[in-house]
Amino acid sequence: EVKLVESGGGLVQPGGSLRLSCATSGFTFTDYYMSWVRQPPGKALEWLGFIRNKANGYTTEYSASVKGRFTISRDNSQSILYLQMNTLRAEDSATYYCARKNYGSSPYYFDYWGQGTTLTVSS
Amino acid sequence: QIVLSQSPAILSASPGEKVTMTCRASSSVSYMHWYQQKPGSSPKPWIYATSNLASGVPARFSGSGSGTSYSLTISRVEAEDAATYYCQQWSSNPLTFGAGTKLELK
Repeated sequence: EVKLVESGGGLVQPGGSLRLSCATSGFTFTDYYMSWVRQPPGKALEWLGFIRNKANGYTTEYSASVKGRFTISRDNSQSILYLQMNTLRAEDSATYYCARKNYGSSPYYFDYWGQGTTLTVSS
Repeated sequence: QIVLSQSPAILSASPGEKVTMTCRASSSVSYMHWYQQKPGSSPKPWIYATSNLASGVPARFSGSGSGTSYSLTISRVEAEDAATYYCQQWSSNPLTFGAGTKLELK
């Protein structure tokens, strides 16, 4: 059974940093692209970035809104995905989901999602 | 980036009614994907590659479209279908989501 379990959310002051984790199981982690998606309260989903699989060199792509502030990484030995967030702002307050891209080539979509972890940025 | 515009924003329907929601892309995309999200839950893949139902999705759901116009149709709405539906494209980076259509049951 595929499982994605996020953790690490909480209350952070503006300007602070936080690292989210997504522990995965039930599949060969290195075969898959992994992504982070967030959702502010009452608002739509926003893609933040992804990290490619082993075959594609674990390279990363980011949305313009977080590029340079957020970093996605992965620990392939423990099948954990990370999101390092720096210089946090109030507008970063959201539920953060990790999601797995379906295996193989196009069309690409997210076939599994975690339950989410909530970040609040406030003084 | 490709902007996805979903309409209507809110859709109110009675059980048994046929409903259609649309997703229009600012540029042509090869496929459209749809996710269902209920309050307090994470999104679920619902329709992928325009017209393929994800595992466990009832056959009353269907998807269609091409180019810049895509739709999700429910042939006979049931109470359990009340949710927000998001479209998503990954034909070009950055991948983008629509703002969602909230389906309410009367």
